[in-house]
Amino acid sequence: DAGVTQSPTHLIKTRGQQVTLRCSPKSGHDTVSWYQQALGQGPQFIFQYYEEEERQRGNFPDRFSGHQFPNYSSELNVNALLLGDSALYLCASSLAGWGTDNQPQHFGDGTRLSIL
Amino acid sequence: LAKTTQPISMDSYEGQEVNITCSHNNIATNDYITWYQQFPSQGPRFIIQGYKTKVTNEVASLFIPADRKSSTLSLPRVSLSDTAVYYCLVGDGYGGSQGNLIFGKGTKLSVKP
Repeated sequence: DAGVTQSPTHLIKTRGQQVTLRCSPKSGHDTVSWYQQALGQGPQFIFQYYEEEERQRGNFPDRFSGHQFPNYSSELNVNALLLGDSALYLCASSLAGWGTDNQPQHFGDGTRLSIL
Repeated sequence: LAKTTQPISMDSYEGQEVNITCSHNNIATNDYITWYQQFPSQGPRFIIQGYKTKVTNEVASLFIPADRKSSTLSLPRVSLSDTAVYYCLVGDGYGGSQGNLIFGKGTKLSVKP
């Protein structure tokens, strides 16, 4: 049973460029969340997708956008990259079980994005 | 959303029991308490989750008092491989997916031989 997979594992970009990160959720999961983790800090919530729509959003600018596909996989897009965008980007998936016990999020190992 | 407070770091020795306490004074009625473990350059790994009283699984126990304003993660007989950062989180059960997880800086546990 494959867990959450993310690609690529590492990426180097320069300021002003655009980047797309990809995530495949754990089998059976339908909800995908994205987090940014700077060195030495805890992950910070970017946004969450369910049924191909953004359901919740953290305190991140519009340069950060996303998409969820019918197969529940997801992409994170970041435009006009800044040096401060250098971080580990984590994807987490879960099952939106309405009326059921709370379902924990399962994380991938992330994409390490470096901005030069 | 409830914030959490936990020690920045803890030291232990192999074979000891480790208890990490987390404060969450503003926890909401529908919030669950979840603990994650993270190794360097890896994503957080789910350890345990609870709502009240005590929860136990094959790797840890979670103790939650009646007022739910704190919780304690208990790791029995730690080994060197338990050296990691441990995060305590509280979040609602929005859609059963726990919605927006708020991570603090976590507790860096160092296990020594």
